[in-house]
Amino acid sequence: SQQGEEDPQALSIQEGENATMNCSYKTSINNLQWYRQNSGRGLVHLILIRSNEREKHSGRLRVTLDTSKKSSSLLITASRAADTASYFCATDPPRQLTFGSGTQLTVLP
Amino acid sequence: DVKVTQSSRYLVKRTGEKVFLECVQDMDHENMFWYRQDPGLGLRLIYFSYDVKMKEKGDIPEGYSVSREKKERFSLILESASTNQTSMYLCASSSGRTTNEKLFFGSGTQLSVL
Repeated sequence: SQQGEEDPQALSIQEGENATMNCSYKTSINNLQWYRQNSGRGLVHLILIRSNEREKHSGRLRVTLDTSKKSSSLLITASRAADTASYFCATDPPRQLTFGSGTQLTVLP
Repeated sequence: DVKVTQSSRYLVKRTGEKVFLECVQDMDHENMFWYRQDPGLGLRLIYFSYDVKMKEKGDIPEGYSVSREKKERFSLILESASTNQTSMYLCASSSGRTTNEKLFFGSGTQLSVL
């Protein structure tokens, strides 16, 4: 199955800084999604970007998609301690979304 | 508010027991999924279903089976639990007949097999 791979595996920043996470994938997609997971909980959908879109915003989140490089990035601006979580990308296809190991973001107060 | 409910938050079972993990969604979604999550391995897909009474194997189906008798309920069955099935189990659902719109996840079941 196709799988999004997140990079870096771990990221530690100070509150107020921006955080950037990357996702690479292998074959053509219809859409790419980003999810967040707080420790010990289920994943929560953050944003979906379609293959014909290059950039999308939602509050403090900005997602870009470069289909020529088969990569996406998630930018969280003005980070807060509450943004501490794991972040995952997933691609469709396959229709059964598959996830990588995620990026563990720690925002220090 | 939309909801995916997993029957247990924590579960402790003995080796060899038959284990049922239940998942119910209230959004009339066609698609339902079971994942397991282990440290360093991310989420791995066990089984999924696009319709009632329909099931397909994911990446790691060995040792598991599923049941979807009603649209809203998707059960994961461990026929004979083993210690290597100790894990966090996550259920999810989504709408969409050809592509996935966003997945809604349950809170997870942390299963320990002793």
